[in-house]
Amino acid sequence: GENVEQHPSTLSVQEGDSAVIKCTYSDSASNYFPWYKQELGKRPQLIIDIRSNVGEKKDQRIAVTLNKTAKHFSLHITETQPEDSAVYFCAASNNNDMRFGAGTRLTVKP
Amino acid sequence: DTEVTQTPKHLVMGMTNKKSLKCEQHMGHRAMYWYKQKAKKPPELMFVYSYEKLSINESVPSRFSPECPNSSLLNLHLHALQPEDSALYLCASGPAGYEKLFFGSGTQLSVL
Repeated sequence: GENVEQHPSTLSVQEGDSAVIKCTYSDSASNYFPWYKQELGKRPQLIIDIRSNVGEKKDQRIAVTLNKTAKHFSLHITETQPEDSAVYFCAASNNNDMRFGAGTRLTVKP
Repeated sequence: DTEVTQTPKHLVMGMTNKKSLKCEQHMGHRAMYWYKQKAKKPPELMFVYSYEKLSINESVPSRFSPECPNSSLLNLHLHALQPEDSALYLCASGPAGYEKLFFGSGTQLSVL
């Protein structure tokens, strides 16, 4: 089955800096890669996603890149703000299954 | 309506109790999911309903019993739970095939 590894497990940045979270997957049939943000005590929320036929997608301060050959994808947050502090989960889906990474706790210091 | 509504928000139950968790969505999604999330861990898939039919059961213990009365509703019946079942139970819905899942706020369950 699919195995998704996520790094780092914790990340602390200064407000205004960029943050990068990386994930690798094992199933070459995976074709959909979402990123979820979960604030403390809240629900996971989809913040951006990418399909396997696209290499990069951007939405304001958030971008995701995908390297199918290397089976890795990354989340990039620019100009970080304190409200970006949360746990971020990557995931990989082959339409029949979806596996989450272990999560990255991002802290943005004012 | 772009929300998934879960009730109750909190539940404390004894190991001999029977309770049910409820989930509702009105986005016309054809797939609904139950996930279990322990503190500081990612959500773990328990059940998937696709077009109101149970399509995957991830070897979850029989003390958890899902039910999908219609395309908008999803229940999780609980019976004879163990303390290790204490967790946040999340419902989610999506168009199909695990894409663009919308999660509910969850039920925080404590088993005493």
